[in-house]
Amino acid sequence: GAGVSQSPRYKVAKRGQDVALRCDPISGHVSLFWYQQALGQGPEFLTYFQNEAQLDKSGLPSDRFFAERPEGSVSTLKIQRTQQEDSAVYLCASSLGSSRTTDTQYFGPGTRLTVL
Amino acid sequence: KQEVTQIPAALSVPEGENLVLNCSFTDSAIYNLQWFRQDPGKGLTSLLLIQSSQREQTSGRLNASLDKSSGRSTLYIAASQPGDSATYLCAVGDYTGGFKTIFGAGTRLFVKA
Repeated sequence: GAGVSQSPRYKVAKRGQDVALRCDPISGHVSLFWYQQALGQGPEFLTYFQNEAQLDKSGLPSDRFFAERPEGSVSTLKIQRTQQEDSAVYLCASSLGSSRTTDTQYFGPGTRLTVL
Repeated sequence: KQEVTQIPAALSVPEGENLVLNCSFTDSAIYNLQWFRQDPGKGLTSLLLIQSSQREQTSGRLNASLDKSSGRSTLYIAASQPGDSATYLCAVGDYTGGFKTIFGAGTRLFVKA
């Protein structure tokens, strides 16, 4: 069975450009998470979806960041008017159910975004 | 605000050595703690998940313990191998953080052949 996939794996953007990052979770997984990982740091939570509902977006750093999961499967993280501080690896994770206590998160390989 | 700290930041050991990685967290109101492994340029792989009601979990050569009252967890790796070289991340889910999983910065492990 396929794991979590993300595309593109690498993205270079000029400052001010808009970018869209895609996440394909494991089929049937209810929960989907987005994280931002700076070099040498642990991932930082951005947002959480349960099916198509975005239940927590408290980690999105600004209103330039927007995420959606319209049909409860594939998710897209969009960053508008990219800034150099947005350069990071963006990780997507999915889990089978909606239990916070027991569900293991399965991570994709990430998208490395570089803003010039 | 929950903070997760991992010590040491980096560790180099000879093959075959047993080792312990440490994780501490500031708020004991957690519902679980997870240990992940991250290889360079790759995503995270879950190693062990300990629910708040549990004290430890074991998988092969790995054993993780949880002491909520003291805000600590340890990951014990027995008979280390060069293939264990990676960054090990500790993460907690707490009741005040909604659906957030809060990560430490990780311990970079290098096992010398």
